[in-house]
Amino acid sequence: DTEVTQTPKHLVMGMTNKKSLKCEQHMGHRAMYWYKQKAKKPPELMFVYSYEKLSINESVPSRFSPECPNSSLLNLHLHALQPEDSALYLCASTPEPLLAASTDTQYFGPGTRLTVL
Amino acid sequence: QKEVEQNSGPLSVPEGAIASLNCTYSDRVSQSFFWYRQYSGKSPELIMSIYSNGDKEDGRFTAQLNKASQYVSLLIRDSQPSDSATYLCAVSAQGGSEKLVFGKGTKLTVNP
Repeated sequence: DTEVTQTPKHLVMGMTNKKSLKCEQHMGHRAMYWYKQKAKKPPELMFVYSYEKLSINESVPSRFSPECPNSSLLNLHLHALQPEDSALYLCASTPEPLLAASTDTQYFGPGTRLTVL
Repeated sequence: QKEVEQNSGPLSVPEGAIASLNCTYSDRVSQSFFWYRQYSGKSPELIMSIYSNGDKEDGRFTAQLNKASQYVSLLIRDSQPSDSATYLCAVSAQGGSEKLVFGKGTKLTVNP
């Protein structure tokens, strides 16, 4: 199994809803990432989990709450989002955290297209 | 602030031509360099990685790295309409950081 899976593929939610995005990989990777990507922009890093611990939070608003229940699974809990949060949310993983001189490559999942009404 | 710069394009080439995509980076001690291809509405797909100065070839793709000039490029030979996509350059930041820094991407169109 050499892929990162994400569910759901599409999500429409209201500003008062609570929803969760799910990401899974069974490659034994020890680092997992959440990115947000708006149209015609590069992916923007949100969170990094290394060995199931949150290692980077790029000053993301608290309405986004990540969770890493185990080494294969990464969730992103969403609450009270704004319309400007509508974007493609990408999960990625690497065998080890991306450290200096590492030759590990980052694999992306297919993404969840989120629309906030 | 570590930066990765790419020409935003669009870059348009005829089918069968060589497409040349360029990327410069600001962090002199960056170690790992990646090219991702992204079709509209899809997630980025890794097509090349390069870590040492020189050329690395994989099929129709050649990545070139020059650390002295802080420059990395991607050549696509015999370009096909299916190569039409946005190409993202990404650089692994130095110093124990677990981040990839992405350029803004170059949109490539290959005309039949």
